Amino acid sequence: GAVVSQHPSRVICKSGTSVKIECRSLDFQATTMFWYRQFPKKSLMLMATSNEGSKATYEQGVEKDKFLINHASLTLSTLTVTSAHPEDSSFYICSAREGLALGNEQFFGPGTRLTVL
Amino acid sequence: EDKVVQSPLSLVVHEGDTVTLNCSYEVTNFRSLLWYKQEKKAPTFLFMLTSSGIEKKSGRLSSILDKKELFSILNITATQTGDSAVYLCAVEARYGNKLVFGAGTILRVKS
Repeated sequence: GAVVSQHPSRVICKSGTSVKIECRSLDFQATTMFWYRQFPKKSLMLMATSNEGSKATYEQGVEKDKFLINHASLTLSTLTVTSAHPEDSSFYICSAREGLALGNEQFFGPGTRLTVL
Repeated sequence: EDKVVQSPLSLVVHEGDTVTLNCSYEVTNFRSLLWYKQEKKAPTFLFMLTSSGIEKKSGRLSSILDKKELFSILNITATQTGDSAVYLCAVEARYGNKLVFGAGTILRVKS
């Protein structure tokens, strides 16, 4: 199956700093990438949908100025958590999809655990 | 608002038991329902269901969808300790192409 990588897998940062997380589709071109957030023992919450070359679409309640998403190429999307605070600590997972036709499943990355001190 | 409800929230069984996990949903313009298995990291894909009544099977796992009752089940027979995981159900609406996830069922299989 298709492979999606995320980097870094784990990051610890101080409050007030910015953190960038990369999501790459390794063997296919991802026209759409999704960013999710998962709290302990909770389900995945979609944060935003990003299409290559256009602005991301954010879900209600997600601050677009705090969570900057860039999808500059068909194989790379980045999520930058700006001025991170302890409440931003979470597990961030991206997924990528080759097209939007039925049957084009989303492939998930391994996730990035962010801890803000 | 699109919604996915899974039950039970958690389940503990012994090896060899059969389990049934439930997923009910409300979504505008249903496109597909998906089951995932999550073990500490990212979810891994199990099944995609689009038509009612057609069972999908993979080894000891099987799943079926009832679009009239807005419901799906995931069955695992002869459970093994390696089946211990969180099982997530998600639905995709025809517009938006995004997945709405349920809270998941935590399954623990004891040896």
